Amino acid sequence: GENVEQHPSTLSVQEGDSAVIKCTYSDSASNYFPWYKQELGKGPQLIIDIRSNVGEKKDQRIAVTLNKTAKHFSLHITETQPEDSAVYFCAASGGYGGATNKLIFGTGTLLAVQP
Amino acid sequence: SAVISQKPSRDICQRGTSLTIQCQVDSQVTMMFWYRQQPGQSLTLIATANQGSEATYESGFVIDKFPISRPNLTFSTLTVSNMSPEDSSIYLCSTRQGGGEKLFFGSGTQLSVL
Repeated sequence: GENVEQHPSTLSVQEGDSAVIKCTYSDSASNYFPWYKQELGKGPQLIIDIRSNVGEKKDQRIAVTLNKTAKHFSLHITETQPEDSAVYFCAASGGYGGATNKLIFGTGTLLAVQP
Repeated sequence: SAVISQKPSRDICQRGTSLTIQCQVDSQVTMMFWYRQQPGQSLTLIATANQGSEATYESGFVIDKFPISRPNLTFSTLTVSNMSPEDSSIYLCSTRQGGGEKLFFGSGTQLSVL
């Protein structure tokens, strides 16, 4: 089955700097890759996602890149702010419908943005 | 995005007892998913609940321990049975909305078993 690895487990940056979190996946059939932000005491919130037919996607200060050949994808946060501090999870799935629609999550990255 | 209400938000329970967690979605959905998040860990899928059929459990999870109900297209419950301290986790309900692939989560139930 699918296995998703995520690095680093913790990341501390200064406010205004960029943060990059990387994930690798094992199943070449996976074609959907979302990223979630989880604040303390809350459920995970979808912040950006990408499908395998796209190499990069941006939404304001957040971007995700995908390298299908290498089977890895990354989250980029620019101009970090203290409110970006949270745990971030990557995930991968084989797409919607049927037995392949399960999301497999990475182990999470605790991002701390220092003011 | 789907609005998913989960209750209770937290509970402290004695070992050997059971707790039922409720999940309500603001629109009809085909599948609802239950996840477990152990302290400081990632999310692990417990089971998938379809309306009108038995839930499908992932490896390592059994119906006797985590019975699930799905009486209609907007509601599901997860029961954690015969609890032990190892069951202390956050339990999360989730679903996709509108036939899309984006998965949305409720706010979770923080369970502590003494």
